[in-house]
Amino acid sequence: GENVEQHPSTLSVQEGDSAVIKCTYSDSASNYFPWYKQELGKRPQLIIDIRSNVGEKKDQRIAVTLNKTAKHFSLHITETQPEDSAVYFCAASQGNNDMRFGAGTRLTVKP
Amino acid sequence: NAGVTQTPKFQVLKTGQSMTLQCAQDMNHNSMYWYRQDPGMGLRLIYYSASEGTTDKGEVPNGYNVSRLNKREFSLRLESAAPSQTSVYFCAIPLTSGTGLLNYGYTFGSGTRLTVV
Repeated sequence: GENVEQHPSTLSVQEGDSAVIKCTYSDSASNYFPWYKQELGKRPQLIIDIRSNVGEKKDQRIAVTLNKTAKHFSLHITETQPEDSAVYFCAASQGNNDMRFGAGTRLTVKP
Repeated sequence: NAGVTQTPKFQVLKTGQSMTLQCAQDMNHNSMYWYRQDPGMGLRLIYYSASEGTTDKGEVPNGYNVSRLNKREFSLRLESAAPSQTSVYFCAIPLTSGTGLLNYGYTFGSGTRLTVV
């Protein structure tokens, strides 16, 4: 089955700096790659996703890139703000029923 | 988040006790999922149901049973709780895009924090 690895496990940045979180996947058949943000004590919420027919997708300060050949994808957050502090999870799937998640990255943005 | 309701929010069990976690959706989706979340391990799929009356094992099904008696509800049962089942449990359903199409993402319930002592 699919295996998703996520790095780093913790990341600390100064407010205004950029943050990058990287994930690799093992199953070349995976075609959907979402990112979830989970604030302390809350449920994970989808913040951006990308499909295998696209190399990059951007939504305001967040962007995701996908390299199918290398089987890795990354989340980029620019101009970080304290409210970006949370745990971020990547995931990979071929459809609805086989979603596999990374272990998570705890991002801390220092004011 | 409208769409997925989980109960209870918190529960403490003694080893060997049983309990059922309830999940209900009002989005009329065929698929429903149960995940557990443990520190440093992300979210792992326990069981899922692709349609009413069907269930399938996920990554970590041992020690759990599920029931999908109707389209709206999907319950997770621990028959004999063990300390290793201390975790946060999330129910999830597929997200629907603005066009009404499924986009493979999930919306999660608010979670159940279970402690087994």
